[in-house]
Amino acid sequence: DTAVSQTPKYLVTQMGNDKSIKCEQNLGHDTMYWYKQDSKKFLKIMFSYNNKELIINETVPNRFSPKSPDKAHLNLHINSLELGDSAVYFCASSQPLGQGGDEQFFGPGTRLTVL
Amino acid sequence: GNSVTQMEGPVTLSEEAFLTINCTYTATGYPSLFWYVQYPGEGLQLLLKATKADDKGSNKGFEATYRKETTSFHLEKGSVQVSDSAVYFCALSGSGGSYIPTFGRGTSLIVHP
Repeated sequence: DTAVSQTPKYLVTQMGNDKSIKCEQNLGHDTMYWYKQDSKKFLKIMFSYNNKELIINETVPNRFSPKSPDKAHLNLHINSLELGDSAVYFCASSQPLGQGGDEQFFGPGTRLTVL
Repeated sequence: GNSVTQMEGPVTLSEEAFLTINCTYTATGYPSLFWYVQYPGEGLQLLLKATKADDKGSNKGFEATYRKETTSFHLEKGSVQVSDSAVYFCALSGSGGSYIPTFGRGTSLIVHP
């Protein structure tokens, strides 16, 4: 009965590779997010989708491309991985922003290590 | 823009000590305020929240009161346990027509037996 799930949990790869992280939520939420957490635990929002439509796109390199095939899924594809991309990536979901959609439900995270 | 400032950690306490983690914010209007907790190796989870001035959020012995006059939302617990060791994040949303969530930098709490 996992609410927000992510795969994989760990991802180790070489610089220059392309990788994807998948996220699924079974809470019936319309809004999903990707966050990046660095080694000092600082949490930065990257993207947000509402019902498959991009609504938040913070200053993120073009190498990062989110894709939402349906409102229960939000995947993150990263091209040409760099050392600085090493971090923990969290997926989250909530009710629609502005409609009582304040509480965020987070996935367990994907630890990405770029060698 | 919106911002959330938390005291820097780590905060190190002995079991049964009193805990305060300070949080102040800058925002327009009347945002909702939150505390999230992140246990080692896990994602964040909501600990408590308050949606209007003078509201007190509480959960698992933790409390925080929404103070509009001091723009603060300090987290307190009367007697911490080793199992409370985690990173605590103060956050806000719903300010100035923007619902983009804003998180503080997190405060690590370490509780020794």
